[in-house]
Amino acid sequence: DTGVSQNPRHKITKRGQNVTFRCDPISEHNRLYWYRQTLGQGPEFLTYFQNEAQLEKSRLLSDRFSAERPKGSFSTLEIQRTEQGDSAMYLCASSFGLVEFFGPGTRLTVL
Amino acid sequence: GESVGLHLPTLSVQEGDNSIINCAYSNSASDYFIWYKQESGKGPQFIIDIRSNMDKRQGQRVTVLLNKTVKHLSLQIAATQPGDSAVYFCAEIPNQAGTALIFGKGTTLSVSS
Repeated sequence: DTGVSQNPRHKITKRGQNVTFRCDPISEHNRLYWYRQTLGQGPEFLTYFQNEAQLEKSRLLSDRFSAERPKGSFSTLEIQRTEQGDSAMYLCASSFGLVEFFGPGTRLTVL
Repeated sequence: GESVGLHLPTLSVQEGDNSIINCAYSNSASDYFIWYKQESGKGPQFIIDIRSNMDKRQGQRVTVLLNKTVKHLSLQIAATQPGDSAVYFCAEIPNQAGTALIFGKGTTLSVSS
């Protein structure tokens, strides 16, 4: 399978804990995006990388959130001191042109 | 704020019927639009895209129409099948310099046999 992959697929954590998600994009794609999706809503943009550079961050990305793409390949999204409001599906997408191809997402549940 | 929205949250059709899913956008400067299909528990899947210099684009069983005068986008699915049941989102790139997609709330398409 040469699509975007995300791990883990599901994560249940207690409030206050830190969590980290991983995204492996399509190998030739230089752009990588993180989105958050809550039930019944469309995905909301969080942040975007071109190669290893983080070029854009949404105001949704509070200081508890950090994303990295150290070698311009896979990316990680960390949420520190999780809150119940962080419960959502976290989607990763990659692109070479304008079309973004999405992974299956990581569903986070904060208890 | 500027956003892409969908006219109907749900649409129910019979297998074999044609489906039309609508979307209104507010930013007249938007240059590029994409339709995605999202099945339960999965990420959005690319269906078809269209640039603002086009009025119509056809794919396999799908057609996207763009009316820039009224800022309206539609997705037509021919001979709808049960496997088409999903949530459909339109998304826009608001300007050429930006790359983040802005999604609407989605329309849930239910196809009955």
